[in-house]
Amino acid sequence: DQQVKQNSPSLSVQEGRISILNCDYTNSMFDYFLWYKKYPAEGPTFLISISSIKDKNEDGRFTVFLNKSAKHLSLHIVPSQPGDSAVYFCAASRYSGGGADGLTFGKGTHLIIQP
Amino acid sequence: DAGVIQSPRHEVTEMGQEVTLRCKPISGHDYLFWYRQTMMRGLELLIYFNNNVPIDDSGMPEDRFSAKMPNASFSTLKIQPSEPRDSAVYFCASSPQGGNTEAFFGQGTRLTVV
Repeated sequence: DQQVKQNSPSLSVQEGRISILNCDYTNSMFDYFLWYKKYPAEGPTFLISISSIKDKNEDGRFTVFLNKSAKHLSLHIVPSQPGDSAVYFCAASRYSGGGADGLTFGKGTHLIIQP
Repeated sequence: DAGVIQSPRHEVTEMGQEVTLRCKPISGHDYLFWYRQTMMRGLELLIYFNNNVPIDDSGMPEDRFSAKMPNASFSTLKIQPSEPRDSAVYFCASSPQGGNTEAFFGQGTRLTVV
């Protein structure tokens, strides 16, 4: 059973417009969420994160929104640039009192920025 | 720091053979994770270590899979015997804390079992 779901396998957006990538989760124990970006033949690289005590976190062109009641988060990229074309993974983790339990990933959304 | 280093980048082996994947985490990171990426299941956590001690191996698919971390700078993931369904990209990642912070990933090992 997928605890983190990215229902759009791919998304095509015109350069300069806003890209919105969505993610849903089912485990209410998750309280920290991350977005990773992956280029072909490379490992995922961290993009932005958000703690469950917040509903928004912004870093330059990237903003992540969290709706805990809906168990939904989204990543906004504005304006979209050609270099943003990549696979984006949503990930979640539980706080375990200073310990760790790794990340649970969605299956990814392939973002294609059209010139 | 050069980041998380994995070797080999590509591995092709015959069914039944033993395969060993290697990982060097970022110096000073206390946590090391092994993930596997397949088309069907996406990125899934196999096992993770804290200070060289395996903490959770519930993601390891079968007894054919084993992982060790003999010291803070080296870990291996072994599959014996390998099967075609083990074909995937295997990623190693490390982090200075744990699941509630970012993990840094290596470039992965693409394993093909024929």
